[in-house]
Amino acid sequence: GQNIDQPTEMTATEGAIVQINCTYQTSGFNGLFWYQQHAGEAPTFLSYNVLDGLEEKGRFSSFLSRSKGYSYLLLKELQMKDSASYLCAPTSGTYKYIFGTGTRLKVLA
Amino acid sequence: GAVVSQHPSWVICKSGTSVKIECRSLDFQATTMFWYRQFPKQSLMLMATSNEGSKATYEQGVEKDKFLINHASLTLSTLTVTSAHPEDSSFYICSARDLARQDEAQHFGDGTRLSIL
Repeated sequence: GQNIDQPTEMTATEGAIVQINCTYQTSGFNGLFWYQQHAGEAPTFLSYNVLDGLEEKGRFSSFLSRSKGYSYLLLKELQMKDSASYLCAPTSGTYKYIFGTGTRLKVLA
Repeated sequence: GAVVSQHPSWVICKSGTSVKIECRSLDFQATTMFWYRQFPKQSLMLMATSNEGSKATYEQGVEKDKFLINHASLTLSTLTVTSAHPEDSSFYICSARDLARQDEAQHFGDGTRLSIL
């Protein structure tokens, strides 16, 4: 089966750094996606990790540890527009995404 | 590139009506499309995997006779919510895999907000 765990909500201040963790247990693992979703909108792609380590893309970075079943999304220099839900989705090579509950991030001025 | 168009964006209709939602890949071919449902403040729940030219694969607990999926071409999948009731009111989102790519990236449509009165 699949088990994906993320914090439900997080709050941070504009300009700060926030780390959103995701732990997973899946039957088979291929890679892990992070998506951002604003309320009422479709998810937008942020990152995809296959190998262990940190992938940096501008203000957003994503880390993966395959052996620990663990990933995090790091957001730097937070902006108000970063207030959204962040969805972790490990994949198992079947092309299906099973999303975690998502983490609702509130960025305060 | 990799644009997925979902139509309609909003539907409001009476209980008992059947509603069809279309998902089109505009600039790529997709043998596999996915249908998700999302309730307020919850994550996306995969309903079914739509396969071109064959029957859809439904996730556990999703009624296949209630949610009819047709994937008749490499660029179009449709989801029909039959005899919709208020509890079917939700945000429905489709996504598609690019046939030409080996990775698992999915491209999402903008979603359809369904309200059943």
